[in-house]
Amino acid sequence: GAGVSQSPSNKVTEKGKDVELRCDPISGHTALYWYRQRLGQGLEFLIYFQGNSAPDKSGLPSDRFSAERTGESVSTLTIQRTQQEDSAVYLCASSPYNEKLFFGSGTQLSVL
Amino acid sequence: QKEVEQDPGPLSVPEGAIVSLNCTYSNSAFQYFMWYRQYSRKGPELLMYTYSSGNKEDGRFTAQVDKSSKYISLFIRDSQPSDSATYLCAMTQGSNYKLTFGKGTLLTVNP
Repeated sequence: GAGVSQSPSNKVTEKGKDVELRCDPISGHTALYWYRQRLGQGLEFLIYFQGNSAPDKSGLPSDRFSAERTGESVSTLTIQRTQQEDSAVYLCASSPYNEKLFFGSGTQLSVL
Repeated sequence: QKEVEQDPGPLSVPEGAIVSLNCTYSNSAFQYFMWYRQYSRKGPELLMYTYSSGNKEDGRFTAQVDKSSKYISLFIRDSQPSDSATYLCAMTQGSNYKLTFGKGTLLTVNP
């Protein structure tokens, strides 16, 4: 595809449910990032994948958050037992090794 | 004190105006400075990328970094309605992935 693709674009869920957010990076990009953007806030780093190296999970806010990446392709961000404070736009980005980031349009998550 | 401070605006200017957007930061270890533009319901896109202090110009856009004052700026000349967006500053110590972002400034350029 031409750019980073994220799905779904919008997700409404009830408090306590689990959600999965998907990211398809640009083909050939070895690095993949997840950021969170809360209303009125800057982007917060969540997790970073680079090739076959161990991911940097230092930005994940709690153990309810986890992410996986299959090789250098699709990544899934999972939030278990969602809380209202998890409501945000979740942005995925990919890049060639440590170069310019290309962001997707994000998933707007609303937890009721 | 947050690591990066950015006035969220909103900022409204007439078409053709010169726009000045600014960020201050507290971490003297930041070496790389970026400006991203984010249209509504879209992801951020990189506008300008600078290393250390100095100026960088790209068309109507000029980025300035003053490390001694921990202050960065983005100037937009001859602003256009298509420049209406949220502008986010971002910075990092040395690795591109752990960017620290400002909150963003919402700019509207009125025709």
